Amino acid sequence: AQKITQTQPGMFVQEKEAVTLDCTYDTSDPSYGLFWYKQPSSGEMIFLIYQGSYDQQNATEGRYSLNFQKARKSANLVISASQLGDSAMYFCAMREGLGGSYIPTFGRGTSLIVHP
Amino acid sequence: DAGVTQSPTHLIKTRGQQVTLRCSPKSGHDTVSWYQQALGQGPQFIFQYYEEEERQRGNFPDRFSGHQYPNYSSELNVNALLLGDSALYLCASSLGTGASGANVLTFGAGSRLTVL
Repeated sequence: AQKITQTQPGMFVQEKEAVTLDCTYDTSDPSYGLFWYKQPSSGEMIFLIYQGSYDQQNATEGRYSLNFQKARKSANLVISASQLGDSAMYFCAMREGLGGSYIPTFGRGTSLIVHP
Repeated sequence: DAGVTQSPTHLIKTRGQQVTLRCSPKSGHDTVSWYQQALGQGPQFIFQYYEEEERQRGNFPDRFSGHQYPNYSSELNVNALLLGDSALYLCASSLGTGASGANVLTFGAGSRLTVL
């Protein structure tokens, strides 16, 4: 079974608008961490945001926020006020804790294109 | 502060040949992980090196091997190349192997391998 599912192969958004990228995960481990990375065409994976399974509040980093719904096993990335430079691939990843290997598992990614 | 550096950035090999990819971790990091990213896919974990030993390994054949040096730099070797080995190979560094806090992976820009 897929541990990380990103159902949107591609998303389009108008500059300055907000966009939500979906991510669902599958784990029975009570301790886990969720990550979002951005991969521009240059290839480098850039860390955006992290959410721990025990964190009570949704994580935020500047224009990025993580909509964490634990019961639904959902960890959607919200980008506010999109910029042209946000056009890239976005990957959701999960690292399982106590029963896992601490090695992040990545989803297949979502391609985001920001239109002017 | 230099991040993760990888070399070469691009290379072309033929089936059956051998390849060596190199990685220098971010300053202060002691753990190196290697990922394979096929076109249109998310990164797949190959193995992780810590204290000059392979600590964890993903579902990759023995043709994939590695090494870590005392200065924490690392190599990925692939023998008997197959067409299916064509991919972007990403190196990521971190401090330690565990899940303390976010323990974010810092990625390099990758080595793009084409096997003809």
